[in-house]
Amino acid sequence: EPEVTQTPSHQVTQMGQEVILRCVPISNHLYFYWYRQILGQKVEFLVSFYNNEISEKSEIFDDQFSVERPDGSNFTLKIRSTKLEDSAMYFCASSVDRGPSPLHFGNGTRLTVT
Amino acid sequence: QKEVEQDPGPLSVPEGAIVSLNCTYSNSAFQYFMWYRQYSRKGPELLMYTYSSGNKEDGRFTAQVDKSSKYISLFIRDSQPSDSATYLCASTSGNTPLVFGKGTRLSVIA
Repeated sequence: EPEVTQTPSHQVTQMGQEVILRCVPISNHLYFYWYRQILGQKVEFLVSFYNNEISEKSEIFDDQFSVERPDGSNFTLKIRSTKLEDSAMYFCASSVDRGPSPLHFGNGTRLTVT
Repeated sequence: QKEVEQDPGPLSVPEGAIVSLNCTYSNSAFQYFMWYRQYSRKGPELLMYTYSSGNKEDGRFTAQVDKSSKYISLFIRDSQPSDSATYLCASTSGNTPLVFGKGTRLSVIA
């Protein structure tokens, strides 16, 4: 069964450093998402992406965050200057269609900011 | 924003028991309801997907939505140790991002 793959599985970085989290969505999916889950809290929406542009973003997704689909298969989340509170699991997801189509999640990248 | 509420548990049951997991939601616009299962250190895995009110059955799993009371349930029959995981309910109106509950941690004891 096709799956969403994310790399790395764990990233440790120092505060103020830039990080790039990578995802390969399912090949025939058109909509891509990033969610995050701070330890012990809910899975929270960050951003959705379609047709090479952001379609929606949450208030969490401020100017420190950016997304890109650089080569037609990868989908990346960049955090420009990491803060301690960015420590979380970051999940990439994709769906065939928008809205009610079920999201298929990767196994996440655990980001630890020290 | 507490749009989807879920008792975090933990819930511990003996093998073979019927498990009932529940969520409530506040947004009347929600039309689509999903249950995800999340094993430790893994991403959420789609388990059940329902539209509007009613029941949907898939093997040992039954999802139930009551829109009049804004109540979502997942029933697991003949529970197995392999069902031990965190179960997340999630909802959307169809043109808004998926909103998750906090998840209920379930342990099925052999």
